[in-house]
Amino acid sequence: QQQVKQSPQSLIVQKGGISIINCAYENTAFDYFPWYQQFPGKGPALLIAIRPDVSEKKEGRFTISFNKSAKQFSLHIMDSQPGDSATYFCAASTNPNYQLIWGAGTKLIIKP
Amino acid sequence: SQTIHQWPATLVQPVGSPLSLECTVEGTSNPNLYWYRQAAGRGLQLLFYSVGIGQISSEVPQNLSASRPQDRQFILSSKKLLLSDSGFYLCACRSYNEQFFGPGTRLTVL
Repeated sequence: QQQVKQSPQSLIVQKGGISIINCAYENTAFDYFPWYQQFPGKGPALLIAIRPDVSEKKEGRFTISFNKSAKQFSLHIMDSQPGDSATYFCAASTNPNYQLIWGAGTKLIIKP
Repeated sequence: SQTIHQWPATLVQPVGSPLSLECTVEGTSNPNLYWYRQAAGRGLQLLFYSVGIGQISSEVPQNLSASRPQDRQFILSSKKLLLSDSGFYLCACRSYNEQFFGPGTRLTVL
């Protein structure tokens, strides 16, 4: 019940296309859902996050869509660029522990 | 804002040798600290976390141990390395909801 399931494991998208990565969870106590971006040889960095009181959050080309009833959330990258090529992790946590439960990661490759 | 330092950046060690990886944090006090391991092309495995000096919780039983001798210092150790200990080791600290990661240590056990 503590798992966060992330798909796909890898994704190849053409430059300018839309990249979509999905995550699903079981624990309804989760109330914080971040996405982290990791470039090779670097530590992950927070990209965007959402709380369950909203269904969508947008920051530039990055959007989180959240479906509370389906217990799913997804990351959309619009106008994908080669510089977006990285590994993306979704995660979830509950209040007040804030221990993050991580998805397995998605390796995204944007082809020029 | 917090800054996390890790050293060394890379390390090549023989099987059976000891290990000590250090993580120090600047810009925050009494942080929650974490050690993660990431195998090549894989996800993040939480190894240890600490909510304060001398307080260590182990998430996965294994060949490693952790210590927190000072508020902003977190050390990962092993008495005898195994081949399976190879990986990318990341230290992180938590600020509110966000975890900040250090630059990592690439460990290769031969």
